Amino acid sequence: GAGVSQSPSNKVTEKGKDVELRCDPISGHTALYWYRQSLGQGLEFLIYFQGNSAPDKSGLPSDRFSAERTGGSVSTLTIQRTQQEDSAVYLCASSLGRILYSNQPQHFGDGTRLSIL
Amino acid sequence: GQQVMQIPQYQHVQEGEDFTTYCNSSTTLSNIQWYKQRPGGHPVFLIQLVKSGEVKKQKRLTFQFGEAKKNSSLHITATQTTDVGTYFCAAPFNAGGTSYGKLTFGQGTILTVHP
Repeated sequence: GAGVSQSPSNKVTEKGKDVELRCDPISGHTALYWYRQSLGQGLEFLIYFQGNSAPDKSGLPSDRFSAERTGGSVSTLTIQRTQQEDSAVYLCASSLGRILYSNQPQHFGDGTRLSIL
Repeated sequence: GQQVMQIPQYQHVQEGEDFTTYCNSSTTLSNIQWYKQRPGGHPVFLIQLVKSGEVKKQKRLTFQFGEAKKNSSLHITATQTTDVGTYFCAAPFNAGGTSYGKLTFGQGTILTVHP
């Protein structure tokens, strides 16, 4: 597709369950980012991929959160043993990555709205 | 950690009034980007500023980058109801001298426009 695709668009699950969120970036974009946004709040950085490597995992809230990227394309964000405070919109973005000294714009998907009951 | 401070958090204006949001950093920025997020939508890239003192315009929107490259502003002239949304600034911060593509977003300014 032309844009960043995220699935599912909505996910409702019970506390304690594991969830997997998927992001399909724009073709050719080497950089991929995961953010979390709570209602009415800003974007909380979670993790950044350059290719399949994650040089910055500093934003992952706990060891229940993990992410991987394969083939330099699709990425999955996994949350284990979900808690109610994990409820938020999880946004994925991709970009061409850093070229020289000019960062490239990030293109966002529509997000996955995660609700933990 | 390194961050950009964005003010105000909220701004309510009457249609036709002007609007400005500001971002400030304690460190010099290599560049700054601006995004708009409509209610229920996702952030959409508006513009990037790179040069000291740079001013760019997009119709009724004027973006400025400070001379010291530590602050930036977005000004909307004669707001319209279509301007409603949250405006974010975002800037890259280097880690240990290694530059990479991570952006740190400001907290955003939520703009409401009353018709």
